[in-house]
This record gives sequence, C-alpha cells and structure tokens, in this order.
Amino acid sequence: SQTIHQWPATLVQPVGSPLSLECTVEGTSNPNLYWYRQAAGRGLQLLFYSVGIGQISSEVPQNLSASRPQDRQFILSSKKLLLSDSGFYLCAWSEPGQGVYEQYFGPGTRLTVT
Amino acid sequence: SQQGEEDPQALSIQEGENATMNCSYKTSINNLQWYRQNSGRGLVHLILIRSNEREKHSGRLRVTLDTSKKSSSLLITASRAADTASYFCAAQRGAPDKLIFGTGTRLQVFP
Repeated sequence: SQTIHQWPATLVQPVGSPLSLECTVEGTSNPNLYWYRQAAGRGLQLLFYSVGIGQISSEVPQNLSASRPQDRQFILSSKKLLLSDSGFYLCAWSEPGQGVYEQYFGPGTRLTVT
Repeated sequence: SQQGEEDPQALSIQEGENATMNCSYKTSINNLQWYRQNSGRGLVHLILIRSNEREKHSGRLRVTLDTSKKSSSLLITASRAADTASYFCAAQRGAPDKLIFGTGTRLQVFP
C-alpha cells in the first residue's frame, strides 16, 4: 500500500533562516506531487506541483521554492524565511497521468516563523 | 486565489441530525471533491463527483453537483460525534489534477 511521509511535524524558525521540508511517498511510481499551505482557519493554497523528476510548476509567486530530486521525494525550501511563511504545510500525491484522481495527503508540518 | 467558497463557515448540530454543507466555485471544472480534516491533521478524501454526474452516495454521505449554478453540497446523514472536523470542497480542473480548495466548513457534532 502507498504511504506518504512528511517531516518534521513541527518547526519553529527565526526570520531570515533557511527552510527545508521533506516529503516522501512509498508504494507508487512517478506520482504527481503537490505542496500546499494552509493559513490558520483557512483553506489550502496550492504552492507547487510536479509531474516528474526535476519538473516543478509554481502556482504563486513567493519566498519559497520546490525541488524533486528523486521520483518519490519532494522538497520545499526557502533561503530566508519571512513571518508570512508561517502556516501548515501539506504534501500530497496523486496517481500519474491526466485521469481523474483523488489526492492523498501527508500529516503536515506546522511552521512557525518568529 | 481560492476558487471555492463554502457555506456555512461553521455548523453545530446534535448527534443523529443531518449536516449540509454547500460549496460554490467560479469556473468550469472536471470534477469536484470533498475532503475532511481533523484538527491539525492532513486531509482525507471523502468523495469525488464528476462534472457529468449530478448526485453521488457513499455510506452516510450524499453529494450533489449543479454545474449550471457552479455549486455542490455535501450531506452527512445521522451525524456522529466522530464526524466533528473541517470539511473542504475542492474543484479540479486542468491537468494534472490541480485542486482549488474552498475555505471549509467547521462541523461540530455534540453527543
């Protein structure tokens, strides 16, 4: 069966520090991968998605970047965090291709920038 | 930007009652999905309804879709305290299946 992992679960970082959040998926090949951010009490905002290694699409201009160095690994990064980067970050995957598929979410990382 | 808007933002009911949540979206879609989120956790997929479907059932869940009004509703029948969570609609369009999430409805079911 497929599983998705995210770490760390929580993170407190000072303004201006770098960020690296990691997401890995097991039990599937060539998944579509997604990074979302959820502000407190709000819905999810799609940040990045990837259909393959090295293929990253950005949905909104921001202080963050994403990379996919391996088929089932998706990394969210920042060189210098801003206060506004605080939030709940969720990674998700879906089956490859252009069919109609649900997305499977990881447990999330709660980031607080101080 | 967020495409979906959900109504109500919060809903409190007693166990055994039905809960109805509504979702509106702005553009054409391929399908609409509903997800559930327990506090501080990831989202769990509940049900998917395609753009050419009008109603779908799964256990105690009933989803309707009206593409002419660009709206969907989720009905949870005979609610239980364990149904307490936030519920989000997500409109899928384009490829790959990018989802545009609504703002969510916080459901509280009292025992």
